[in-house]
Amino acid sequence: GQSLEQPSEVTAVEGAIVQINCTYQTSGFYGLSWYQQHDGGAPTFLSYNALDGLEETGRFSSFLSRSDSYGYLLLQELQMKDSASYFCAIRGHTGGFKTIFGAGTRLFVKA
Amino acid sequence: NAGVTQTPKFQVLKTGQSMTLQCAQDMNHNSMYWYRQDPGMGLRLIYYSASEGTTDKGEVPNGYNVSRLNKREFSLRLESAAPSQTSVYFCASSGTVNTEAFFGQGTRLTVV
Repeated sequence: GQSLEQPSEVTAVEGAIVQINCTYQTSGFYGLSWYQQHDGGAPTFLSYNALDGLEETGRFSSFLSRSDSYGYLLLQELQMKDSASYFCAIRGHTGGFKTIFGAGTRLFVKA
Repeated sequence: NAGVTQTPKFQVLKTGQSMTLQCAQDMNHNSMYWYRQDPGMGLRLIYYSASEGTTDKGEVPNGYNVSRLNKREFSLRLESAAPSQTSVYFCASSGTVNTEAFFGQGTRLTVV
């Protein structure tokens, strides 16, 4: 089966940098994705790593290490609006490319 | 662009009642999904469909049925609702190669 683990909560101050980690177990997958969800809203796609290394999209970067079964999301220049839940997800090679999500990390950004 | 459209947005059911949640996407995606999200928790996969005419169980399928009516539409049915099915339900779709999943706005279901 597939499973992902991430911290339940992270707190950081406005303007700082925060890293949200994700470890996973899977027999094979295409890549690691990250989603953001604000309270009452739907998840929205942030970033995707198909290969090992760092992917940068504006203030957000994501990293994947397949050998360590590990990835992270890096948020720079934190803003109050970044307070949300962040989910890592993997899409398997088999079973219709089903996408499985971690339990999510709640990020609190303080002034 | 409509993206993924779910109906209804809110629903209250009595225990034992049945209902169908509707989902449609206009992005020509092959894969469609139904997730449930309980307070403070992540998204758990109920059922998914890799393509028109195929469906498969996810992590928490008990108490649900699905129909992939055509490439656009994927419905979720609760035959006999239970309080444990009180949750927010999200429909999502994605392409076969592109791994980004697009979500509907969710259905907030309360079973009393």
